Amino acid sequence: GAVVSQHPSWVICKSGTSVKIECRSLDFQATTMFWYRQFPKQSLMLMATSNEGSKATYEQGVEKDKFLINHASLTLSTLTVTSAHPEDSSFYICSAPLAGGRYNEQFFGPGTRLTVL
Amino acid sequence: AQSVTQLDSQVPVFEEAPVELRCNYSSSVSVYLFWYVQYPNQGLQLLLKYLSGSTLVESINGFEAEFNKSQTSFHLRKPSVHISDTAEYFCAVSIQGAQKLVFGQGTRLTINP
Repeated sequence: GAVVSQHPSWVICKSGTSVKIECRSLDFQATTMFWYRQFPKQSLMLMATSNEGSKATYEQGVEKDKFLINHASLTLSTLTVTSAHPEDSSFYICSAPLAGGRYNEQFFGPGTRLTVL
Repeated sequence: AQSVTQLDSQVPVFEEAPVELRCNYSSSVSVYLFWYVQYPNQGLQLLLKYLSGSTLVESINGFEAEFNKSQTSFHLRKPSVHISDTAEYFCAVSIQGAQKLVFGQGTRLTINP
């Protein structure tokens, strides 16, 4: 199956700094990627839809100025958490759909654990 | 809007026992249904999906799920579990023709020897 990678797998940063997380589709192109946030022992919450060549679409309640998304190419989307605070600590997961047929199966990255001190 | 409810947050079972993880959904339009599995500190892996056709779908590792439209359910079952099945299981839906997934709260399956 298709592979989606994320980098870094974990990051620890100080409060007030910015952190960039990369999501790459390794063997297929993805015009759309999704960013999720998962708190401990909770479900995945969709944060935004990343669109190659255009602005990201954010879900209600997600601050677009805080979570900057850039879909730089057909295989790379980045999520930058700006001025991170401890409440931003979470597990961030991206996914990318593989086009084909009437259903585009989504492939998930392994996740990035962010800890803000 | 769509919603998914997983009725059990945790399910402990003994090895080789059967298990059922429950999932109910709500939607005013036709949906696709999925079960994903998440092992500790990993991303999600697709376990099985229902798109159309036979209401009973199976995975390669012995899990199966049955789509019940009248009860708006998509329960996951396995007749005999293994220690390696210990993981978090998520039920999800998407509107037919759309790519967004809406996830349930997740069920932690713990297998005891």
